[in-house]
Amino acid sequence: AQTVTQSQPEMSVQEAETVTLSCTYDTSENNYYLFWYKQPPSRQMILVIRQEAYKQQNATENRFSVNFQKAAKSFSLKISDSQLGDTAMYFCAFTGPNSGYALNFGKGTSLLVTP
Amino acid sequence: GAGVSQSPSNKVTEKGKDVELRCDPISGHTALYWYRQRLGQGLEFLIYFQGNSAPDKSGLPSDRFSAERTGESVSTLTIQRTQQEDSAVYLCASSPRGLAGSNEQFFGPGTRLTVL
Repeated sequence: AQTVTQSQPEMSVQEAETVTLSCTYDTSENNYYLFWYKQPPSRQMILVIRQEAYKQQNATENRFSVNFQKAAKSFSLKISDSQLGDTAMYFCAFTGPNSGYALNFGKGTSLLVTP
Repeated sequence: GAGVSQSPSNKVTEKGKDVELRCDPISGHTALYWYRQRLGQGLEFLIYFQGNSAPDKSGLPSDRFSAERTGESVSTLTIQRTQQEDSAVYLCASSPRGLAGSNEQFFGPGTRLTVL
């Protein structure tokens, strides 16, 4: 079974600063996908960034980037130039063919961006 | 285009009653997923549909939970004889394809179920 661990229940960062959210996972699969989802108080799950395991290059989406270390099974999210609107719960998720591509989520990190 | 919709948005019920939660996926999406999110927790996988069949029901927590999907479209999640521990937000997601390729899931806004 795949497990996803987010070791930081809460984090805070000042506006315009950079913050890194950690995520580790455990799997025996070789071809899989990793995601970071954002869930603001509206509870709408929003995809932030996606990484295919077969790609060595780290994914980047504007202010969001990941540090994907496949051997270490680590998938951290870096948010640069943090904005007040980034305040939300952030969930790391894993999916692969053995699970029918259902998502396995970590417990989440609550991020607060302060002025 | 329209996203994933779920109804009702909120549902309050008494212990022991049955409830039905509805999900309308994005048109043309063949894969559909149900998740449960308890307060302050991550999402737990419940069931997955590929078309109208459910190859993976492993996440359903008990036989009180069931789900069906018709016409490769609407899905309903039914909870019979609800218990207080069923209180949670139930989220539905759809995807263009299930077993093949990368799998971005598009989520609905969820149904908040409260069992008194």
